[in-house]
Amino acid sequence: DAEITQSPRHKITETGRQVTLACHQTWNHNNMFWYRQDLGHGLRLIHYSYGVQDTNKGEVSDGYSVSRSNTEDLPLTLESAASSQTSVYFCASSLTGTRDEQFFGPGTRLTVL
Amino acid sequence: GENVEQHPSTLSVQEGDSAVIKCTYSDSASNYFPWYKQELGKGPQLIIDIRSNVGEKKDQRIAVTLNKTAKHFSLHITETQPEDSAVYFCAGGYQKVTFGTGTKLQVIP
Repeated sequence: DAEITQSPRHKITETGRQVTLACHQTWNHNNMFWYRQDLGHGLRLIHYSYGVQDTNKGEVSDGYSVSRSNTEDLPLTLESAASSQTSVYFCASSLTGTRDEQFFGPGTRLTVL
Repeated sequence: GENVEQHPSTLSVQEGDSAVIKCTYSDSASNYFPWYKQELGKGPQLIIDIRSNVGEKKDQRIAVTLNKTAKHFSLHITETQPEDSAVYFCAGGYQKVTFGTGTKLQVIP
């Protein structure tokens, strides 16, 4: 069965370190998204991609970057982790865009000390 | 950009009762309104969605209504069951969707 996976599921890091969260989908979807989930804020869009070599900033993109070198993967990089980036991160994919069902991964809980 | 507000933030109902979650949006161009359910420790999952050319949509015990004039939409769950306990997110948008802040629903057996 097609699926979307994230790794690691839990990560503890220190302030200032570079961190990369992986997202891999086997749906063969063109569109992939990264969200962060914080209490009181719901799901906020960080970055998204509509295809290979395409990346776009979401509403909370500062301090994050993504690259899309193939259809299956959209890794999220925190260039210099900050305590404000402690959160649960979700990756999602969809066939035709955000105005279609998004399939979410299980999430990565990141703690920045 | 779009702003989606969701109420209430928490909701407790007795098993068998109905639950209603309400959302408002700001951008009159928004035309797609999905609802997601998130169980503990999992990613959100789409349960129902509605597009702006439709005023109401039902799927078994779940229904969504959309009032474009007032720019609000609601999720209705009838005959609630303990397995309905979860966090529910509304979302809305035109080119991209914006999520609400979530409602934690607790169904008391």
